[in-house]
Amino acid sequence: AQTVTQSQPEMSVQEAETVTLSCTYDTSESNYYLFWYKQPPSRQMILVIRQEAYKQQNATENRFSVNFQKAAKSFSLKISDSQLGDTAMYFCAFMNPGGAQKLVFGQGTRLTINP
Amino acid sequence: DVKVTQSSRYLVKRTGEKVFLECVQDMDHENMFWYRQDPGLGLRLIYFSYDVKMKEKGDIPEGYSVSREKKERFSLILESASTNQTSMYLCASISRDLYKLFFGSGTQLSVL
Repeated sequence: AQTVTQSQPEMSVQEAETVTLSCTYDTSESNYYLFWYKQPPSRQMILVIRQEAYKQQNATENRFSVNFQKAAKSFSLKISDSQLGDTAMYFCAFMNPGGAQKLVFGQGTRLTINP
Repeated sequence: DVKVTQSSRYLVKRTGEKVFLECVQDMDHENMFWYRQDPGLGLRLIYFSYDVKMKEKGDIPEGYSVSREKKERFSLILESASTNQTSMYLCASISRDLYKLFFGSGTQLSVL
């Protein structure tokens, strides 16, 4: 069974700083997807970024980028020029695209951006 | 925009009550999921369904059942609610071509 581990329960940075959230996973699959989801105080889960394992290039979405290290089974999220609106819970998730396409989530990291 | 709608944002129930959590999606997705979210544990899969009347257990199915009579609706049932089922419940459906999970806004259930 796949597992996803986020070792940082809480992080706090100043506005405009860069912050990196860590995520490791365990799988024997070679083809899979990795995700970062954001959950602000509104509780609505929002997809931040997605990475396909067969793509070597790291995914980026504006201020959000990932460092995908397939051999190390590591998938960190970097937020550049952090903004107050980035304050949220962040969840890393794994999906095997075959079968039911269910996502396996990490424990979450609570990120606070301070003014 | 895809919408996944959960019928209640907050619910308070008594121990032993039968509880229904409803979820409806409007994008004709085949796969739907129920997750439970607890601090420090992240999201854990309770049940999922890949078609009408088809269901499979997730990682923590004990104390729960589900119903999917129509493609757009996936219900989570707590047969006899207990205090350890106090939690946030999230429904989701997935777009197979985009491999993207769409979530409802969650139901915070308190069992007293």
